[in-house]
Amino acid sequence: DTAVSQTPKYLVTQMGNDKSIKCEQNLGHDTMYWYKQDSKKFLKIMFSYNNKELIINETVPNRFSPKSPDKAHLNLHINSLELGDSAVYFCASSSHGLAGPTDTQYFGPGTRLTVL
Amino acid sequence: KQEVTQIPAALSVPEGENLVLNCSFTDSAIYNLQWFRQDPGKGLTSLLLIQSSQREQTSGRLNASLDKSSGRSTLYIAASQPGDSATYLCAVYNQGGKLIFGQGTELSVKP
Repeated sequence: DTAVSQTPKYLVTQMGNDKSIKCEQNLGHDTMYWYKQDSKKFLKIMFSYNNKELIINETVPNRFSPKSPDKAHLNLHINSLELGDSAVYFCASSSHGLAGPTDTQYFGPGTRLTVL
Repeated sequence: KQEVTQIPAALSVPEGENLVLNCSFTDSAIYNLQWFRQDPGKGLTSLLLIQSSQREQTSGRLNASLDKSSGRSTLYIAASQPGDSATYLCAVYNQGGKLIFGQGTELSVKP
């Protein structure tokens, strides 16, 4: 199936641990994103990569480090997890033209992170 | 700074009713406006995308309008069904390259 996939779907861990979330898209898109949805369901962009290059870093603590090994993958590594990091993290992808986005963003199913 | 507001925050209607969800945004310099649907515990599904030069888009029972100058969009759902129950999110893609979301309208359609 063509889609945006994320692993794992659920992640429960202790404070202070380091964890990674993986994202892959097989839609041929050149831009990928990470979003955080908090307990009030507010969805906010964290990072955006275009052709493996970071283009948006939305004042996220440097404990969060995205890595894009290729156009189809954007992973999120989080160091020294804190209670406030508990949220649902969504990966998304889209196509971009010279004048801006040409298509909607396609979202993955989300990763629910719980920090104890 | 772009801000997106959705009203109402929650809406409960009987099956068969036509309904309107509202979205407003503060900065009219946008590339496009999108409406998404989110089911509990799931990701977002794109419903409609309106480019900044367009006034409306339709898909089945859904119609979305865009008035860029007044910073408003509406999502019209005709003949609502229980399967339409979900959270509806409005988002604008601004010229800073970001998709800015509203906080959503939680819709419940009662059989």
